[in-house]
Amino acid sequence: DGGITQSPKYLFRKEGQNVTLSCEQNLNHDAMYWYRQDPGQGLRLIYYSQIVNDFQKGDIAEGYSVSREKKESFPLTVTSAQKNPTAFYLCASSMGLEVQTQYFGPGTRLLVL
Amino acid sequence: QQPVQSPQAVILREGEDAVINCSSSKALYSVHWYRQKHGEAPVFLMILLKGGEQKGHDKISASFNEKKQQSSLYLTASQLSYSGTYFCGTDGYDMRFGAGTRLTVKP
Repeated sequence: DGGITQSPKYLFRKEGQNVTLSCEQNLNHDAMYWYRQDPGQGLRLIYYSQIVNDFQKGDIAEGYSVSREKKESFPLTVTSAQKNPTAFYLCASSMGLEVQTQYFGPGTRLLVL
Repeated sequence: QQPVQSPQAVILREGEDAVINCSSSKALYSVHWYRQKHGEAPVFLMILLKGGEQKGHDKISASFNEKKQQSSLYLTASQLSYSGTYFCGTDGYDMRFGAGTRLTVKP
């Protein structure tokens, strides 16, 4: 079955630690996205990538980094510079044309110890 | 750049109707609607394109007024399964989502 997988489902971060959230898709989509969702809030765009080896900052990119070395993979690293990382992180993909449906992964919940 | 949704929350009884609005300060080519159940990922409902017709599926439909840069989602004869948070998203590679409208349908 085609879809988007995110791992882990839950992730715990210690102070000063970098953590990486995985996002993989087998939909052959060109574009991939990362969103952050805080309790009771909407989706805020962190980074997006239209093609391999290219990505753009969204509204809240500070404290995060990404890479897009393969079409199917778009990992997100939450760095120690992100002082308030506790949130629900959603990865999505789309075919990449300007008007396209986004398909979401199941999400990763990040908690700070 | 984020679209504005209203109302923030709605509580309905089964069988009642609801309207959720989404407006943008920028010109739109398309509007997307998603529904998210608690703790789950958003699920695509429908997309409305500029110049397109009103869309609908079962008892959920939507309209798009390009001139006013607004879209509305209509839920008629609501069912318990309609409960969740509804988001509108506006077009472009860097899609922006509204803050969401929490819909609760009670028996």
